[in-house]
Amino acid sequence: DSGVTQTPKHLITATGQRVTLRCSPRSGDLSVYWYQQSLDQGLQFLIQYYNGEERAKGNILERFSAQQFPDLHSELNLSSLELGDSALYFCASSLFWGDEQFFGPGTRLTVL
Amino acid sequence: EDKVVQSPLSLVVHEGDTVTLNCSYEVTNFRSLLWYKQEKKAPTFLFMLTSSGIEKKSGRLSSILDKKELFSILNITATQTGDSAVYLCAVEVYIAAGNKLTFGGGTRVLVKP
Repeated sequence: DSGVTQTPKHLITATGQRVTLRCSPRSGDLSVYWYQQSLDQGLQFLIQYYNGEERAKGNILERFSAQQFPDLHSELNLSSLELGDSALYFCASSLFWGDEQFFGPGTRLTVL
Repeated sequence: EDKVVQSPLSLVVHEGDTVTLNCSYEVTNFRSLLWYKQEKKAPTFLFMLTSSGIEKKSGRLSSILDKKELFSILNITATQTGDSAVYLCAVEVYIAAGNKLTFGGGTRVLVKP
């Protein structure tokens, strides 16, 4: 158990819908990262927050957005969902940016 | 574009064998290289390497980085069935005001009894 928690574990929804994935980092960690893992693309970086501020962005779609709250938990919002958005979404955290990242158990999103 | 390539794609060994996994990379703004083990779900952190030539060890696992030739290897000695997993190599790079991990495609290891 890495100490990173994610909810929900599974999410099944329909195309066009909007969902919110939640992540609580390890106690004391200031940096939160979001990754998407699909069968054909592997693990892909989406976005990083550090102490409430966005620090780095990967190939994150405009339909996706994220934020980190004052208590350091983070949410990833996915809207206008498409079939291709079905994937495992991981949150990772690190103490400061540049430290080793510890991954949460992931949220499996299925878009029907 | 940053690239991380792992080889082999997969391998099957028997308990007690030694396994060597390879990771080569071409990235800009290199900061570190990390190894993770992924069984059913979340990648589990194994090693973080920042300096060339210094071996990191944890039990039967060890890893080393060569920053001149841009590769790393992960060794597993005296393999056990519990070592069966996908091993992921990731390179950490600086990006904008932060950092990110770029992952390789992984090496699937199956250890047979």
